Amino acid sequence: EAGVTQFPSHSVIEKGQTVTLRCDPISGHDNLYWYRRVMGKEIKFLLHFVKESKQDESGMPNNRFLAERTGGTYSTLKVQPAELEDSGVYFCASSQEVGVTNEKLFFGSGTQLSVL
Amino acid sequence: ELKVEQNPLFLSMQEGKNYTIYCNYSTTSDRLYWYRQDPGKSLESLFVLLSNGAVKQEGRLMASLDTKARLSTLHITAAVHDLSATYFCAVDKDSNYQLIWGAGTKLIIKP
Repeated sequence: EAGVTQFPSHSVIEKGQTVTLRCDPISGHDNLYWYRRVMGKEIKFLLHFVKESKQDESGMPNNRFLAERTGGTYSTLKVQPAELEDSGVYFCASSQEVGVTNEKLFFGSGTQLSVL
Repeated sequence: ELKVEQNPLFLSMQEGKNYTIYCNYSTTSDRLYWYRQDPGKSLESLFVLLSNGAVKQEGRLMASLDTKARLSTLHITAAVHDLSATYFCAVDKDSNYQLIWGAGTKLIIKP
């Protein structure tokens, strides 16, 4: 079974440019999450999709960030325009159900974003 | 605001030794997770702890949860080099995967 895949693994862009990160969840997983870890800080929740709908986007830092999940399959996270403080590792995760005992959350290996 | 504190943040130890990583959190929570991350790799789920007194073991790792003390521990027994990684605890306050994470403990085990 393929795991959660993220693309690209690394991205280096200049301040003011646009970057789009992609996440392919495990097939059949309705729930998709984005997290990020900014240098020196803890991993933070960004948002949660159930199929194509945004269940919770309370962790999105500002309106420069736009997440989509058209068709309820893969998701994209666009940062436009990117700022220096957006640098960090962006993780995607998926799960089949939420709140079920012992249900696991499966993570991708992350996208390392560097904004110069 | 829910906060999760891990300590130590960095740990270097010799093979064969025992050690414990601590995870304190500030409010009640439905569940607590332990994850492992190798450099450049995914976060791998190790344990999910659901209730007070829960103890789970996998190989040389054992995790426990004391909800009254708001404390979870990850105990490493007779460490081996392969256990070198960064270990995170995370609290799921409302069982919705809005995880609140600890800062991570970077564990280096020297042969």
